[in-house]
Amino acid sequence: NAGVTQTPKFRVLKTGQSMTLLCAQDMNHEYMYWYRQDPGMGLRLIHYSVGEGTTAKGEVPDGYNVSRLKKQNFLLGLESAAPSQTSVYFCASSPEGSSYEQYFGPGTRLTVT
Amino acid sequence: KQEVTQIPAALSVPEGENLVLNCSFTDSAIYNLQWFRQDPGKGLTSLLLIQSSQREQTSGRLNASLDKSSGRSTLYIAASQPGDSATYLCASDSWGKLQFGAGTQVVVTP
Repeated sequence: NAGVTQTPKFRVLKTGQSMTLLCAQDMNHEYMYWYRQDPGMGLRLIHYSVGEGTTAKGEVPDGYNVSRLKKQNFLLGLESAAPSQTSVYFCASSPEGSSYEQYFGPGTRLTVT
Repeated sequence: KQEVTQIPAALSVPEGENLVLNCSFTDSAIYNLQWFRQDPGKGLTSLLLIQSSQREQTSGRLNASLDKSSGRSTLYIAASQPGDSATYLCASDSWGKLQFGAGTQVVVTP
């Protein structure tokens, strides 16, 4: 099993450009999550999904959109990138919600200039 | 809003010493408390998950305790090794959503 994979690993964008980050999991997990990690702030939840076709807002959703068209994939989109979105983005999945471990991908380092 | 704090932010110990990492949270209405390890440039690896009804969990040299009434969890790592050098994060789980602390960066010197 590959677990949770993220594409791309690194990306540099100019302000105003758009991009999509792809997260894929092969564990048949229902729940998937997108986090961002900034220095000194831990991880913060951007959006999450409790199953195929569902999405919900997390703690810091502004400026991001997500889609879960297939159970194994969770996409994070930036429509108009801003320097404040420079961060490391992590995707995670879990079998269900509470009481289950979350499995994390290796991260995507995004720089917006 | 749940706030999770980890103090200290960084810790350096000689090899063989026991490590004690602290995590505090403001809202005791949690489903579980999880501890993660993060190596530089890598994702997070789950170490231990303590259900809200449990007081502790153990895995090898790792032991984590949970005291909901005082809003505290402690991760103990026995007989530390240089390979234990990493950042350790705790996260409280409320309704399936994790709230993370900023982490404690640990260096174990040979």
